[in-house]
Amino acid sequence: NAGVTQTPKFQVLKTGQSMTLQCAQDMNHNSMYWYRQDPGMGLRLIYYSASEGTTDKGEVPNGYNVSRLNKREFSLRLESAAPSQTSVYFCASSEFRGETQYFGPGTRLLVL
Amino acid sequence: GENVEQHPSTLSVQEGDSAVIKCTYSDSASNYFPWYKQELGKGPQLIIDIRSNVGEKKDQRIAVTLNKTAKHFSLHITETQPEDSAVYFCAASEIGSSYGKLTFGQGTILTVHP
Repeated sequence: NAGVTQTPKFQVLKTGQSMTLQCAQDMNHNSMYWYRQDPGMGLRLIYYSASEGTTDKGEVPNGYNVSRLNKREFSLRLESAAPSQTSVYFCASSEFRGETQYFGPGTRLLVL
Repeated sequence: GENVEQHPSTLSVQEGDSAVIKCTYSDSASNYFPWYKQELGKGPQLIIDIRSNVGEKKDQRIAVTLNKTAKHFSLHITETQPEDSAVYFCAASEIGSSYGKLTFGQGTILTVHP
């Protein structure tokens, strides 16, 4: 039981490049989330998926897209990376909306 | 929507002392209040949570108290140890609502000096 896994662990991009951050959970959870964490800013919700087949915007969705591929997997895509997207990205899952969230180890992204 | 304020932003204590972190929330419908600990380079991990039908909950050296009337809740760590040094986040949500997302506080950096 690995919990929430994220790939890659670390990535360097040039401005304008695209990439997809992958997240998977093996807890049979219904809801999944993407956050970004910047120094002094706490955790900010980018997108979430309350259940398979649905996605909704969070607090800071601009510049990102998501796909809930199946119940296990929830990916985050940066179509044209910008230096402002340099951050640490966390994926999380919960059994239902509003319940305890379990976090992955994070992806550290640097956009030059 | 919900707004969660967390204080202090940094807290420094000596090993063996107690540490208290406080959070206030704005939405009286919130009924679930978890606390997370984040160690350097890792994701946040749940350490304790409380639901609105309970006023206090303890787990060894950690306790959480909730005052629904005043809309605030606190994390208490007794007999602190250097390994308690981390960033702590409080959060609030309304389980069962159509909104149902956790709203996090800004975090408290706790440093325990040996």
